[in-house]
Amino acid sequence: DGGITQSPKYLFRKEGQNVTLSCEQNLNHDAMYWYRQDPGQGLRLIYYSQIVNDFQKGDIAEGYSVSREKKESFPLTVTSAQKNPTAFYLCASRGQRMNTEAFFGQGTRLTVV
Amino acid sequence: AQTVTQSQPEMSVQEAETVTLSCTYDTSESNYYLFWYKQPPSRQMILVIRQEAYKQQNATENRFSVNFQKAAKSFSLKISDSQLGDTAMYFCAFTSQGGSEKLVFGKGTKLTVNP
Repeated sequence: DGGITQSPKYLFRKEGQNVTLSCEQNLNHDAMYWYRQDPGQGLRLIYYSQIVNDFQKGDIAEGYSVSREKKESFPLTVTSAQKNPTAFYLCASRGQRMNTEAFFGQGTRLTVV
Repeated sequence: AQTVTQSQPEMSVQEAETVTLSCTYDTSESNYYLFWYKQPPSRQMILVIRQEAYKQQNATENRFSVNFQKAAKSFSLKISDSQLGDTAMYFCAFTSQGGSEKLVFGKGTKLTVNP
């Protein structure tokens, strides 16, 4: 079945550590997105990519990094520079046409311990 | 920059009644798409309905319909015959080619359907 998979579902990070969240899709979508969800803040865009080997910063990119070496994969690294990383992270993918819906993964809950 | 505003953080409705969720947006683009997504307690995002800015006719999907007012930059969602399964967060979203295909979301409205 086609879909988008995020892993792990829950992730715990110690202070000062970098952690990487995985996002894989087999929908043959060109565009992929990372969002952060906090209570009362909605979905805030961290990074997005429209094509392999290219990506753009979203509204809250500081303290995060991404790569897009393969069409299917768009991993997000939460670095130690991100001062408040505890949140729910959602990955999404879309086709190229403007009217296509975004498909979302099931999310990763990151907690700093 | 495109922005999406949902002014109702929380709403409630009785089962079988009708409720309208508000969304306004700001853009200088002439062609764009608007979406409503639903996020139930499982946190899985689901597309509810979409609307192209060039189409004057309001989109409908079964019990869900929109009131798209382009001049007012308003895009409200009406849910008719509300069901308990409609309890969820609802997010309004915007995209345009001029925005380099960014998909921008509002802060969401938490809808509770009461029995």
